Amino acid sequence: AQSVAQPEDQVNVAEGNPLTVKCTYSVSGNPYLFWYVQYPNRGLQFLLKYITGDNLVKGSYGFEAEFNKSQTSFHLKKPSALVSDSALYFCAVRLRSGNTGKLIFGQGTTLQVKP
Amino acid sequence: SAVISQKPSRDICQRGTSLTIQCQVDSQVTMMFWYRQQPGQSLTLIATANQGSEATYESGFVIDKFPISRPNLTFSTLTVSNLSPEDSSIYLCTSLRDTPDTQYFGPGTRLTVL
Repeated sequence: AQSVAQPEDQVNVAEGNPLTVKCTYSVSGNPYLFWYVQYPNRGLQFLLKYITGDNLVKGSYGFEAEFNKSQTSFHLKKPSALVSDSALYFCAVRLRSGNTGKLIFGQGTTLQVKP
Repeated sequence: SAVISQKPSRDICQRGTSLTIQCQVDSQVTMMFWYRQQPGQSLTLIATANQGSEATYESGFVIDKFPISRPNLTFSTLTVSNLSPEDSSIYLCTSLRDTPDTQYFGPGTRLTVL
């Protein structure tokens, strides 16, 4: 079965420290990879995506993610966390073949940044 | 990027009734999708709505419970029928022109069933 795993339910970091939110996937082929963020009582906001090319992609709000094909991972990173980064983060994949457009989401990781 | 709006933003409904959610995209798109986010859970695809054809439902979702309309290339509706408290969720709409594209989500509809 196609799946996305976010092994940590919650990540706690101090403001100013680097953060990493982990994501691994198990799908056929090389999917498109996405990160979304959800703030309380808000919709889902797009952060960044990997389609092809450089394994390190940069996105909104200073976030970046590193694609590792051999480890089938797409970890989200930020060099210096802000309290305002506290939110729920979702990793998602979409298959390149079949043209279904379906996004498969991980279970989400709550990021808590403390002052 | 497509801008997606949804109505209503939230509603409280009685058991046994139905709620229809509207999704409007600001440009023509090939595919529209409806997702459900149950409390404290991730997002699960309900169905894909293509204009001019019947919606394609994911395993565990049926047309009688979640009828979908797609009358044109910018609009879709999702009806959640015969509501029960287990239907209390956030329902989100998104769209896609081509598979490498980014999918932007609507603000969601928060449904509470009493």
